Amino acid sequence: GAGVSQSPRYKVTKRGQDVALRCDPISGHVSLYWYRQALGQGPEFLTYFNYEAQQDKSGLPNDRFSAERPEGSISTLTIQRTEQRDSAMYRCASSSGQGTRGFYGYTFGSGTRLTVV
Amino acid sequence: QKEVEQNSGPLSVPEGAIASLNCTYSDRGSQSFFWYRQYSGKSPELIMSIYSNGDKEDGRFTAQLNKASQYVSLLIRDSQPSDSATYLCAVNPLGGSQGNLIFGKGTKLSVKP
Repeated sequence: GAGVSQSPRYKVTKRGQDVALRCDPISGHVSLYWYRQALGQGPEFLTYFNYEAQQDKSGLPNDRFSAERPEGSISTLTIQRTEQRDSAMYRCASSSGQGTRGFYGYTFGSGTRLTVV
Repeated sequence: QKEVEQNSGPLSVPEGAIASLNCTYSDRGSQSFFWYRQYSGKSPELIMSIYSNGDKEDGRFTAQLNKASQYVSLLIRDSQPSDSATYLCAVNPLGGSQGNLIFGKGTKLSVKP
């Protein structure tokens, strides 16, 4: 697609429920990143993929968080047994992965605002 | 804990003035440095990257890097009201993977007409 698409835009869930957040990167972008951004804060790294391989998951807060990108395109971030502290904007980004600007010239999606009540 | 520090602002400058945004980082081995702009309610967008000491200019924007002082800055010349946004400094730390950027909290810039 023309941009990075994330769905849903807003998600309200009850504490203890599982949620799945979806990211559809720009067509052809090999690198896909998940960040979390709290209000008034900068984005916080969660994990990233090159193609279907998860290269770094060091930012995932705990084992309730997982991510996959099985065919090297669409990615899903799953949060199990949600807690109120998980409430934040979850942002996906992609990049071409080619050249220096390709690595870091992230195009961010509009994000998914997750609220755990 | 690797950190990126920014003054949260707000920084208010008159239209046409130079806006100076500053950032310090804790990981001395960091190699790659970035400035992102984030309009209210929108997603961050990359505006500048810098990898070596000195200045890098792109239009009205100049990024400055001093690795010895662990300091990065962004200058915006001839500031316009449309530059009003939060500016995020981001660093790829030594030993960090390609995709692992550490962002500061951002400095909110307000350009007054």
